[in-house]
Amino acid sequence: AQSVTQLDSHVSVSEGTPVLLRCNYSSSYSPSLFWYVQHPNKGLQLLLKYTSAATLVKGINGFEAEFKKSETSFHLTKPSAHMSDAAEYFCVVSDMAYKYIFGTGTRLKVLA
Amino acid sequence: DTGVSQDPRHKITKRGQNVTFRCDPISEHNRLYWYRQTLGQGPEFLTYFQNEAQLEKSRLLSDRFSAERPKGSFSTLEIQRTEQGDSAMYLCASSLDGIGNTIYFGEGSWLTVV
Repeated sequence: AQSVTQLDSHVSVSEGTPVLLRCNYSSSYSPSLFWYVQHPNKGLQLLLKYTSAATLVKGINGFEAEFKKSETSFHLTKPSAHMSDAAEYFCVVSDMAYKYIFGTGTRLKVLA
Repeated sequence: DTGVSQDPRHKITKRGQNVTFRCDPISEHNRLYWYRQTLGQGPEFLTYFQNEAQLEKSRLLSDRFSAERPKGSFSTLEIQRTEQGDSAMYLCASSLDGIGNTIYFGEGSWLTVV
């Protein structure tokens, strides 16, 4: 069975410092992995996606994530946080045609 | 922009009333999903359509909930005899066929049951 664990429910960083949002997954097959961002009262927007090509995936707004099979991790990073990055971030795993399992989310706070 | 659209965006209803939400997916997408999200939680899968066929329903979808996608295009989610516990955001998403395709979400429909 597939599952995903986001290790931090809240992360605070100062503007201009690096961001690290952690995600571990469990999957019986070769999974597809996604990161989505949700701003308040909005739907979810895709940041990036891994589907067994390059293990380092670049997304929008300067975010990237690295797939590490040995660690079953797919952590999201950004070199320099911006105030507009403050939002909720969801890690998602899918190894079946229609099953997309969401983590519980990490709320990112960016301090001025 | 031809993204996923949902209507209404917000609905306040009295307990016991029926409500219906509509979702228009991206036009070429044959898969359509409904999720529910409560405050502080990630989206939870409710149901999924492949064209007009409803192929999977979560146990979260009690018999007060019904979803349709009559012509394989737009979908409706109806909640009968609403309860306060139904208060949540209902998210619609769509995707192309196949494993690992990106699902694209609408802005969601907020339901408040008073």
